[in-house]
Amino acid sequence: GNSVTQMEGPVTLSEEAFLTINCTYTATGYPSLFWYVQYPGEGLQLLLKATKADDKGSNKGFEATYRKETTSFHLEKGSVQVSDSAVYFCALKGAGKSTFGDGTTLTVKP
Amino acid sequence: DVKVTQSSRYLVKRTGEKVFLECVQDMDHENMFWYRQDPGLGLRLIYFSYDVKMKEKGDIPEGYSVSREKKERFSLILESASTNQTSMYLCASSFARQGLNTEAFFGQGTRLTVV
Repeated sequence: GNSVTQMEGPVTLSEEAFLTINCTYTATGYPSLFWYVQYPGEGLQLLLKATKADDKGSNKGFEATYRKETTSFHLEKGSVQVSDSAVYFCALKGAGKSTFGDGTTLTVKP
Repeated sequence: DVKVTQSSRYLVKRTGEKVFLECVQDMDHENMFWYRQDPGLGLRLIYFSYDVKMKEKGDIPEGYSVSREKKERFSLILESASTNQTSMYLCASSFARQGLNTEAFFGQGTRLTVV
């Protein structure tokens, strides 16, 4: 079956530091890949997505590239802010079914 | 703006009570989902529905049931609440498009405590 493995947290960074959260997947067929973000006390919301190999999703300074050869979809941001503190979930969707990673908690300190 | 609304943000119920969690979406989505979220366990799918009056078991359906009488509403029912059902419950919905894997839209979550 499908699976998503993402970098264990928690991750703590200083403001303006570079962020990478690793995500690798196992899937049959051609899934779409997503990053969702969950702010404290809230539900998940879509951060970015990519629907085919070599696509780059981007939003709010975050980027991730769909790498079929390495089955990865790593999340990056060049300069994080305190307001980026949240839980980040990598997910894939194939044949109508979603599979989520366990989430990575990011804390950004001033 | 698209919206998935869960009826309660916080609930406290007693062991053995029958509990209803309601979810409404205004996007005319075919698919609706119920997850629970627990520390260290990520999101786990309880039940989902692809159409009105249709339901499918997810990964952890035991102790739960669902109802979808109208397209926009998907209810999660705890038949007899137990303390191990204390959790954050998340409802989500998405379009069903042949050949496309569309994103899910989530509600704000219901934090249920069973005492």
